[in-house]
Amino acid sequence: AQSVTQLDSQVPVFEEAPVELRCNYSSSVSVYLFWYVQYPNQGLQLLLKYLSGSTLVKGINGFEAEFNKSQTSFHLRKPSVHISDTAEYFCAVSDGGGYQKVTFGTGTKLQVIP
Amino acid sequence: GAVVSQHPSWVICKSGTSVKIECRSLDFQATTMFWYRQFPKQSLMLMATSNEGSKATYEQGVEKDKFLINHASLTLSTLTVTSAHPEDSSFYICSASRPRSNQPQHFGDGTRLSIL
Repeated sequence: AQSVTQLDSQVPVFEEAPVELRCNYSSSVSVYLFWYVQYPNQGLQLLLKYLSGSTLVKGINGFEAEFNKSQTSFHLRKPSVHISDTAEYFCAVSDGGGYQKVTFGTGTKLQVIP
Repeated sequence: GAVVSQHPSWVICKSGTSVKIECRSLDFQATTMFWYRQFPKQSLMLMATSNEGSKATYEQGVEKDKFLINHASLTLSTLTVTSAHPEDSSFYICSASRPRSNQPQHFGDGTRLSIL
């Protein structure tokens, strides 16, 4: 069985400040890890993914995440946030790639303060 | 552009009505599609896995007779909420992935279902 834990339900941060959204996972097999963003009343947009290879993954909109196997973490970071980054962010894990079942975390609401 | 289209985006209807939601993969054939449900301020919960040409696989606790899934073609899966009641009000999202691919699923924009 696999699971995802997002410890922070809400993260307020001032505009142009850095931010880190935390994600920890558990899985009995090799994992594929994802971060998605959801704007109000919309579906999910993929920010970035880790399938294999380099543990530092760069995504869209200036986001990046680092896969840490020993700490079973996949934290999302951005060095300088914008008002437009205000949204819900979901960490997700799959043990078999996109065509397999994906388990989502409970989400972190990023609130950028002007 | 969008690779998964979901329709309608918003539905308001009376209690007891059946509602059909469509999920289409636009530029690839999806042998597998997924249906999720999301309550306000909560995460996505997988309801079922839709397999083209065969019966859907439902997650534990999801009523098969309540949430009918049909995946009759490689580009279309439908979710029908039968005899909907106010507690069925939620945000429903579908996703699809390219066959035999380890690439992430593509998500539709969701359907907001409100039962009065």
